[in-house]
Amino acid sequence: EIVLTQSPATLSLSPGERATLSCRASQSIENYLAWYQQRPGQAPRLLIYDAYTRATGIPARFSGSGSGTDFTLTIDSLEPEDFAVYYCQKRSDWPPDITFGQGTRLQIK
Amino acid sequence: QVQLQESGPGLVRPSETLSLTCTVSGGSINNEYWGWIRQPPGKAPEYLGFLSYTGSTNYSPSLQSRVTISLDTSKNQFSLRLSSVTTADTAVYYCARRVRDSTGYHDAFDIWGQGTMVTVSS
Repeated sequence: EIVLTQSPATLSLSPGERATLSCRASQSIENYLAWYQQRPGQAPRLLIYDAYTRATGIPARFSGSGSGTDFTLTIDSLEPEDFAVYYCQKRSDWPPDITFGQGTRLQIK
Repeated sequence: QVQLQESGPGLVRPSETLSLTCTVSGGSINNEYWGWIRQPPGKAPEYLGFLSYTGSTNYSPSLQSRVTISLDTSKNQFSLRLSSVTTADTAVYYCARRVRDSTGYHDAFDIWGQGTMVTVSS
């Protein structure tokens, strides 16, 4: 079973700063990684899929990178609405499965 | 634009079967893949499974023996059944659509319902 580990668990930054969130897989998942944002009381919102493809309507300040086992979500110039919980999600071929990381909470410093 | 809405009982007794329906509006259920994801309070989301417009399914290995997802194209709906529930199945249940772009289908979910809280308790 491939495990996703997100770091840090909590990230404290100020508006205007750059956020760098990490997601590491225990084995290679090629580029089958997605990133979601979740605000309190809301459903997850897809930001990035296939490691670096921005979903429809997602601002350019959100970018994804990485392949294999190490992935990064970068948020340039944080806006007040960006403070939320972020999850990575992977797909594996065998057994066929989709799993989420444990999340990174991005909070205002 | 496409919108999803979950519906079903908010309380289920232990050992019984949880049944939820997702209604798709603003678009057709055809030619898409549809999934269910749940999220226990304060925890990360957990994938349950998805099915295609042809009816083929993929279930989480850890829940495969208890999960059934089905399609009703005449009503533009798809459904989740989770049998033999316990308190560990208490969660917000979301229905969602698998991403499709000009290059095909991808393993992520771009449209989600608002979620429905299901509590398992006697």
